[in-house]
Amino acid sequence: QSALTQPASVSGSPGQSITISCTGTSSDVGSYNLVSWYQQHPGKAPKLMIYEASTRPSGVSDRFSGSKSGNTASLTISGLQADDEADYYCCSYAGSNNWVFGGGTKLTVL
Amino acid sequence: QLQLQESGPGLVKPSETLSLTCTVSGGSISSSSYYWGWIRQPPGKGLEWIGIIYYSGGTYYNPSLKSRVTISVDTSKNEFSLKLSSVTAADTAVFYCARRITAVDAFDIWGQGTMVTVSS
Repeated sequence: QSALTQPASVSGSPGQSITISCTGTSSDVGSYNLVSWYQQHPGKAPKLMIYEASTRPSGVSDRFSGSKSGNTASLTISGLQADDEADYYCCSYAGSNNWVFGGGTKLTVL
Repeated sequence: QLQLQESGPGLVKPSETLSLTCTVSGGSISSSSYYWGWIRQPPGKGLEWIGIIYYSGGTYYNPSLKSRVTISVDTSKNEFSLKLSSVTAADTAVFYCARRITAVDAFDIWGQGTMVTVSS
């Protein structure tokens, strides 16, 4: 099972919007709506930001949104803030009780 | 407030078995709503799912690690454990334990992580 494909890095200025893609296959992202997104600040544990491709957990800012089309899921962050600078990982169910993470994307707020 | 805490040796010799425990506090591990999992992150790299366990003992493992991984649960102690055998330097990583919500298939609560180095 190969890792999901994410861009290594993205950047944006405060107040702008950015989108991070997560590309899988018809065996994982394309077959299930079970995509989650995690934010990880340096030296910290990951934090759940989106589940079921587009649902925000309680307490997560509505500046974060998720979507999915075909084999690609996306995380959009609007109104970028300095504290959004972190690594972001997607994760998808891949069938047969197996899960796969993306390689991670480093978000830089300029 | 539920919390998870990893514990175990920070240094393991090559070819030996890595053993870690995750203690759950502030809630019961014996809930039908959750699985309990292990995820690792090599230095400077991404996350890798290792495996998950249900409170009754049912397990699912990453196929790439399945031959070397054993996850077990002790409901009386409210903890679950990871054993990874025949380790090499490539197994050096931060190991996280986490709670997985079965209904939405996501890891919602994570431990702080523990660094394990494989070296002689």
